[in-house]
Amino acid sequence: NAGVTQTPKFQVLKTGQSMTLQCAQDMNHEYMSWYRQDPGMGLRLIHYSVGAGITDQGEVPNGYNVSRSTTEDFPLRLLSAAPSQTSVYFCASTKSGLYEQYFGPGTRLTVT
Amino acid sequence: RKEVEQDPGPFNVPEGATVAFNCTYSNSASQSFFWYRQDCRKEPKLLMSVYSSGNEDGRFTAQLNRASQYISLLIRDSKLSDSATYLCVVNGEDDKIIFGKGTRLHILP
Repeated sequence: NAGVTQTPKFQVLKTGQSMTLQCAQDMNHEYMSWYRQDPGMGLRLIHYSVGAGITDQGEVPNGYNVSRSTTEDFPLRLLSAAPSQTSVYFCASTKSGLYEQYFGPGTRLTVT
Repeated sequence: RKEVEQDPGPFNVPEGATVAFNCTYSNSASQSFFWYRQDCRKEPKLLMSVYSSGNEDGRFTAQLNRASQYISLLIRDSKLSDSATYLCVVNGEDDKIIFGKGTRLHILP
């Protein structure tokens, strides 16, 4: 099992560019989430999904889109990157809210 | 009241000492409780689940107090390698997963 994988590991974008952060898991988990973490701060939930075809907003959804067409994949799209989106992005998956979450290694994004 | 609250620290503790953190939660219907550990610039990893009867894993003990709505983590005989941020996680309404902001622990040689 690869667990939760994220690509890319690092990315630099210019303001206004768009991109997709990829997240995949091979554990057949229904529940997947995207978080961002800024220096010295806790994890903030961006979007989450409780199953294929179902997504919902978290605490900080503005500027991001998600879709969940398969159980395995949960990509995060930045529509028009802004310097305020410079952060470390973590994807996580779990069977449900009652179980432990497994995190990917993170994507470090810088927007200039 | 915030859904999950932790003292951000930092806790600066000499090696070999015992240290304890608490985490309070607001939803009395919460059923799942976890402690995660996060090292600098790395992803969070599960340290231990917290069971109603309390549980122990080596030097680590986790306890749940439903009446006062908090969970605790006790670390005995602390090691330099225990330096990290400890995150409390609780499930909220509609199965939402809620992370605390974390407590920073520095073990001093």
